Amino acid sequence: SQTIHQWPATLVQPVGSPLSLECTVEGTSNPNLYWYRQAAGRGLQLLFYSVGIGQISSEVPQNLSASRPQDRQFILSSKKLLLSDSGFYLCAWSVGQGIGYTFGSGTRLTVV
Amino acid sequence: AQKVTQAQTEISVVEKEDVTLDCVYETRDTTYYLFWYKQPPSGELVFLIRRNSFDEQNEISGRYSWNFQKSTSSFNFTITASQVVDSAVYFCALVPSGTYKYIFGTGTRLKVLA
Repeated sequence: SQTIHQWPATLVQPVGSPLSLECTVEGTSNPNLYWYRQAAGRGLQLLFYSVGIGQISSEVPQNLSASRPQDRQFILSSKKLLLSDSGFYLCAWSVGQGIGYTFGSGTRLTVV
Repeated sequence: AQKVTQAQTEISVVEKEDVTLDCVYETRDTTYYLFWYKQPPSGELVFLIRRNSFDEQNEISGRYSWNFQKSTSSFNFTITASQVVDSAVYFCALVPSGTYKYIFGTGTRLKVLA
């Protein structure tokens, strides 16, 4: 069966520090991978998606970047965090267009 | 423009009441998919249902039912005999055919009081 792992679950980082959130999928090949952010009390904002290794599409210009070094690994990074980067970050995968996402358990990031 | 509107920001009901969560979408595509997800307090989003634009049959799954009406561009979700465990944020989403991007509504927070 397919599983998605996302870590860490919670993170408190100072402003200006770097960030690395990792997401891995097991039990499937060549998944579409996504990073979403959910600000407190708000909806889901698509940040990045990837349809293959090294292929990253950015939806919103921002302080973050994403990489996909392996087929089932998706990393969200920042060189210098801002207060506005605080939020709940969700990784997700799907196997095609119009197919439901499976979400990871999320990372709650607080930038202080 | 493609958009999903969940006009109800928060709904509170007493246990055993029925509740309907509204979802209105906008798209010019003739082929698309609609979804509902549940986000319990733990944060993880849980898939509830997927419906394609050519299937307007309503669906019932236990206490959950969905009413899809293309004429009004709505995909409403009803919980019958609500329970405290139904308390969560519910998201409706639109996926135009041929894209990977989901367009989520802003969510409706449902509170079921004992």
